[in-house]
Amino acid sequence: EVQLVESGGGLVKPGGSLRLSCAASGFTFRHAWMNWVRQAPGKGLEWVGRIKSNTDGGTVDYAAPVQGRFTISRDDSKTMLYLQMNRLKTEDTAVYFCATSSSTYWGQGALVTVSS
Amino acid sequence: DIVMTQTPLSSPVTLGQPASISCRSSQSLVHSDGNTYLSWLQQRPGQPPRLLIYKISNRFSGVPDRFSGSGAGTDFTLKITRVEAEDVGVYYCTQAGQFPYTFGQGTKLEIK
Repeated sequence: EVQLVESGGGLVKPGGSLRLSCAASGFTFRHAWMNWVRQAPGKGLEWVGRIKSNTDGGTVDYAAPVQGRFTISRDDSKTMLYLQMNRLKTEDTAVYFCATSSSTYWGQGALVTVSS
Repeated sequence: DIVMTQTPLSSPVTLGQPASISCRSSQSLVHSDGNTYLSWLQQRPGQPPRLLIYKISNRFSGVPDRFSGSGAGTDFTLKITRVEAEDVGVYYCTQAGQFPYTFGQGTKLEIK
């Protein structure tokens, strides 16, 4: 059974940092391209970024609103995906989902609240 | 960026009746590899999104056959032949052929 479990969410002040983790199991993680997608309270879905598998170059692409502030990485030995979020803004408040490529499988999400 | 526009944004439907959601992209979604990476997601209240349809018309594993997808180029449709109570939620189209990946605004399906 495929499982994606996010952790690391919480309350952070504007300008602060937070790192989200996504533990993956039930599929060959090292071959998977992975996405982060977020959903602000009561709003729709917004793609954050994607990381290719290391065998496909490990390239990372980001959405414009997070480019330069967020960093996606992966540890294939631990089957973990990460989202390092720096210089957080109030508009980054959202539930953050990790998902496999093409939206096949999704985690339950981690809530990040940016507020003073 | 490719803009995905869904209609309607809200769809009250009687149980057992059909429902249809349209998704239009601001440019063709045909990828250079010949595929069209247009998917449909369902998000039930309080749940993460779930994949229903990928590459326009392919039902994902475990998705009931009352769900079907069709379309080409810039115009796509999700149809539900007979709506059941468990179908209540928000439906999103999404494209993953060009960066940034984008989603439609969502269509809220509710029972009359």
